[in-house]
Amino acid sequence: GENVEQHPSTLSVQEGDSAVIKCTYSDSASNYFPWYKQELGKGPQLIIDIRSNVGEKKDQRIAVTLNKTAKHFSLHITETQPEDSAVYFCAVPNTNAGKSTFGDGTTLTVKP
Amino acid sequence: EPEVTQTPSHQVTQMGQEVILRCVPISNHLYFYWYRQILGQKVEFLVSFYNNEISEKSEIFDDQFSVERPDGSNFTLKIRSTKLEDSAMYFCASGFSEETQYFGPGTRLLVL
Repeated sequence: GENVEQHPSTLSVQEGDSAVIKCTYSDSASNYFPWYKQELGKGPQLIIDIRSNVGEKKDQRIAVTLNKTAKHFSLHITETQPEDSAVYFCAVPNTNAGKSTFGDGTTLTVKP
Repeated sequence: EPEVTQTPSHQVTQMGQEVILRCVPISNHLYFYWYRQILGQKVEFLVSFYNNEISEKSEIFDDQFSVERPDGSNFTLKIRSTKLEDSAMYFCASGFSEETQYFGPGTRLLVL
């Protein structure tokens, strides 16, 4: 099955700094890569995704980069704000069945 | 903006009892999923459902679990005889394709 590794497990930054979270995956057939943000007591919310036909996608302060050869993709958050504090999960869907394998999560803390 | 809803938000039950967790997916979605998240751990896939049948299920989804789409709007997860280790957050998700998944707010299940 798919093996997804996410690093780091915790990340603490000062407000205004950038944050980068990386995920590696094992199945080279994967071609869709979402990132989810989970706030305390809530469900994961899709914040950005990328398909394998592009190398980077940006949405305001967040961006995702993909390196298919190396089988990793990263979430970049610039100009971090306290409300960015949450747990972030990468996921790799199995497109044959829709099953998603999640990374272990990264707890991001943005200090004001 | 349409969203996935789940009821109840919290459920406390005695070991051995049956529970039914309910979900209303986004109306034009065709793919439905259940995931669970034990406190402090990552999100784990349970089952995917498409075209009125299970597409894939994980090892967690044993004979004690079942899913049903009883009408055009609801999607339920039944646990026949709950165990202590079933205590977790249960998330329903839906999508219009096999890739993009939108999660509900979750049901917190506590088995005593």
